[in-house]
Amino acid sequence: SQQGEEDPQALSIQEGENATMNCSYKTSINNLQWYRQNSGRGLVHLILIRSNEREKHSGRLRVTLDTSKKSSSLLITASRAADTASYFCATGQGAQKLVFGQGTRLTINP
Amino acid sequence: EAGVVQSPRYKIIEKKQPVAFWCNPISGHNTLYWYLQNLGQGPELLIRYENEEAVDDSQLPKDRFSAERLKGVDSTLKIQPAELGDSAVYLCASSLHTGPQYEQYFGPGTRLTVT
Repeated sequence: SQQGEEDPQALSIQEGENATMNCSYKTSINNLQWYRQNSGRGLVHLILIRSNEREKHSGRLRVTLDTSKKSSSLLITASRAADTASYFCATGQGAQKLVFGQGTRLTINP
Repeated sequence: EAGVVQSPRYKIIEKKQPVAFWCNPISGHNTLYWYLQNLGQGPELLIRYENEEAVDDSQLPKDRFSAERLKGVDSTLKIQPAELGDSAVYLCASSLHTGPQYEQYFGPGTRLTVT
C-alpha cells in the first residue's frame, strides 16, 4: 500500500516558471524524501527532510514539511526542460521502511 | 563509482513461463531492496535484504515469487510461473545501511511484459 499522495498528479508549465508539488501522508513519520524519475530510468534521490525540520534547500529545490498537517511540498524554481520527470515523495516510517507515493508527472514546455 | 546494475533491461515472456532478474548493488551497501512499479504508480517494496538476510518480505507473493542474495552482494528475483498481471517494472535499490534516513540508490529497472 502507498502512504503518500502527491498533488497534482500531473503538472505542465513553461520553462523558467516555478513548479510546486505537494505530498500528503497519513501516519507519523521519521523523515520524508523526494525522488525524481526520468522517463525509463530509475529513481534519483533529491533531498531528505527530517521530521523536526520545517524547510530545506538544495540548489533550485526547496522542500517544506508540516507535520501537523501531515504534508510536504517540493518547489523547483526557474524550471528547465531537464526537470521534466516524475517526482515522488517517500515517507520514512518506523525504523525501517520507506513508502513511496504515486508521484507527480511534471512537464516543462520550452 | 558504478551505480546499481540490473539486467536484463527488458524482458518479454509468455504467461506461465519463468523469469529471473539480476541486481548488483553499489559496493559496500549492506541493504538491498526489490520494488515493483506499475505504470503511473510509485515503487512498492517487495523484499528488503540486510546483507544476505531477507528481513522484510511481507509484500512478496511467495506462491510465485522468490528471491535470494547469496553472500550478501548480488541478488536475483524470480517469478515462476509469470502471470499477465506481473507486467511491470522491477526496480532494485541499495543503501549503505538500513533505515528510512538513508538515501536509496536505484538501478534502471527491468521492464517485464507478460503476454
